[in-house]
Amino acid sequence: DTGVSQDPRHKITKRGQNVTFRCDPISEHNRLYWYRQTLGQGPEFLTYFQNEAQLEKSRLLSDRFSAERPKGSFSTLEIQRTEQGDSAMYLCASRSNELAGGSYEQYFGPGTRLTVT
Amino acid sequence: GENVEQHPSTLSVQEGDSAVIKCTYSDSASNYFPWYKQELGKRPQLIIDIRSNVGEKKDQRIAVTLNKTAKHFSLHITETQPEDSAVYFCAAGGYQKVTFGIGTKLQVIP
Repeated sequence: DTGVSQDPRHKITKRGQNVTFRCDPISEHNRLYWYRQTLGQGPEFLTYFQNEAQLEKSRLLSDRFSAERPKGSFSTLEIQRTEQGDSAMYLCASRSNELAGGSYEQYFGPGTRLTVT
Repeated sequence: GENVEQHPSTLSVQEGDSAVIKCTYSDSASNYFPWYKQELGKRPQLIIDIRSNVGEKKDQRIAVTLNKTAKHFSLHITETQPEDSAVYFCAAGGYQKVTFGIGTKLQVIP
């Protein structure tokens, strides 16, 4: 257990519905990342925050996706009008701003597996 | 943006043999190269990383080498054990973020 938690762990939804996922990072980490992972692929960057500021959003992310980190602690990722192609594992990761021993290690959560039927 | 290619996609080795996974990257500004291990149904976890001011780094049975001129880096696992079986991801980037490769599924045959 890295200390990063995600909720829910699994979500099944019907096409067209909205879903929201939550990530709780390690408390002292001010950077938070969202990734999407499909079978046989590496984590694909979606967006990241430094504290409450969303610093970058992937061009691959459609406007159906939105993420927030209102108080610089937990974050939410919302997908509106879900499509079958949104089915994937959504991973959250956090890291410190500090360079710890030369490492920018990201600590991953267990992920939320989304299935859109 | 950064583009990371990783190969092979699958690798089978006999227990005790060495395994090598190779990655190339496109952005010459990248200066941080981590490797993550993901066991089935689990989260990715960092196993080793290297920064561009270092050409090689070793941690017990795991080593990473970096060739900045050629823009490639490799993971070497020696004396492989069954518990090394997993998917390994390379990544390249910097302080802000990293881009991951597609992964290599390593199977260590007892």
